[in-house]
Amino acid sequence: DQQVKQNSPSLSVQEGRISILNCDYTNSMFDYFLWYKKYPAEGPTFLISISSIKDKNEDGRFTVFLNKSAKHLSLHIVPSQPGDSAVYFCAASEYGGATNKLIFGTGTLLAVQP
Amino acid sequence: KAGVTQTPRYLIKTRGQQVTLSCSPISGHRSVSWYQQTPGQGLQFLFEYFSETQRNKGNFPGRFSGRQFSNSRSEMNVSTLELGDSALYLCASSRVGVYNSPLHFGNGTRLTVT
Repeated sequence: DQQVKQNSPSLSVQEGRISILNCDYTNSMFDYFLWYKKYPAEGPTFLISISSIKDKNEDGRFTVFLNKSAKHLSLHIVPSQPGDSAVYFCAASEYGGATNKLIFGTGTLLAVQP
Repeated sequence: KAGVTQTPRYLIKTRGQQVTLSCSPISGHRSVSWYQQTPGQGLQFLFEYFSETQRNKGNFPGRFSGRQFSNSRSEMNVSTLELGDSALYLCASSRVGVYNSPLHFGNGTRLTVT
């Protein structure tokens, strides 16, 4: 039972354009959400997070949107750069982020074309 | 500041054997969690330790176990290895929980079971 779903295995975007990565969840108890980026042969690195009390969080080129009623979140990267090419994982926590038990999606491979 | 260190980077074992993986968290981080990454399943939570106590456990069989030492270093053990245990095992650390500090991942141990 996949509680966090990333339905697009891959996404290709032109440099300078917007990248939109999507994530859906089924567990209504999730109240803290995160995005991680992963390069090959490296561990995931934290990008941005959002609490369920907010609907948007912004950090530089990265913005995460949360739609609780639709159980959907998205990561916007503007403008996209070739160095953003990586696998992006969406993750969720039930405990307000008080622990490190995260439920991850299966990832979306982003390719930013120069 | 040194990152999360996992040893060894690569392991090849035979079915039925057991294996121990090691993780040294970032200095000052008291929480260590373990994840299994496989191509089809993404990252799956194994367990989390905080101050030497298991705080959370994922849905893995009892063959998977872990522990944390007083210096916060952690080990995980897999007994009676099966072919399906072949995966990248990732260790992550943080101070308390993801809300206060993001999870920092190591580069993982690649386990191959033949």
